[in-house]
Amino acid sequence: QKEVEQNSGPLSVPEGAIASLNCTYSDRGSQSFFWYRQYSGKSPELIMFIYSNGDKEDGRFTAQLNKASQYVSLLIRDSQPSDSATYLCAAIVTGNQFYFGTGTSLTVIP
Amino acid sequence: SQTIHQWPATLVQPVGSPLSLECTVEGTSNPNLYWYRQAAGRGLQLLFYSVGIGQISSEVPQNLSASRPQDRQFILSSKKLLLSDSGFYLCAWSVQGVQETQYFGPGTRLLVL
Repeated sequence: QKEVEQNSGPLSVPEGAIASLNCTYSDRGSQSFFWYRQYSGKSPELIMFIYSNGDKEDGRFTAQLNKASQYVSLLIRDSQPSDSATYLCAAIVTGNQFYFGTGTSLTVIP
Repeated sequence: SQTIHQWPATLVQPVGSPLSLECTVEGTSNPNLYWYRQAAGRGLQLLFYSVGIGQISSEVPQNLSASRPQDRQFILSSKKLLLSDSGFYLCAWSVQGVQETQYFGPGTRLLVL
C-alpha cells in the first residue's frame, strides 16, 4: 500500500471553474501535508502546506484536511489555463519521512 | 532568502560513462538535503538524503552514490551509467526540524544513450 495516493487523472475543467484535487494517505500518524505544482519539464514548487484539520486558504487555493478520513484536498477557484500542471500531494509520516503521491494532471480548458 | 542550484541543467551521456551532478544551497545552514529521480510520466523516487556533512542515507540500492563534502553541497555520482538511469534528477532542501517543507532545485535532465 502506498503511503500517499492520488488519482493520476487527467482532470479537465473549463476556465473559471473550481478544480478539486484529492489525496489519501495511509499512515494515521501523519501530521504534515503539502501540495506542490509541477509544470511540464520543471521542478515541483510548493503551493501550500496544512497541518490542522479544516480548511486553509491562500488566494485562489484552499487546502482541506480531514484526519479522521485520512484525506487531503486542494481546491483551485477560478481556474486559469496557467493552472494546467501536475499537482503533487505529499505527507510527512511517522518517523519524519516525506512521501509524495504520483501526482494528478490538471488541464484548464480556455 | 534561500536559493538552490543544480548543474548541469541537461546532460546526455553514453551507457557505461561516469556521472557527477551537483547541488548547492545558499542562504541557510545545516539543511537536510535530498536527491530524487523522476522517470518520464512517473512520481518522485527518493534516492538519498543527508542530515549533515558526510551523513548519507540511501533509500534505493543501485549504481548511484551520493556525497556531502560541505554543509550546503550535495553530489550525486555514478561510476557506470545504465539506460535505466535516464530521468529528471531533483535536489531538494529542508530546514531541520519537526515539519520539514522541502524546496526543490531546478533539476537536471539526464539522458543515457
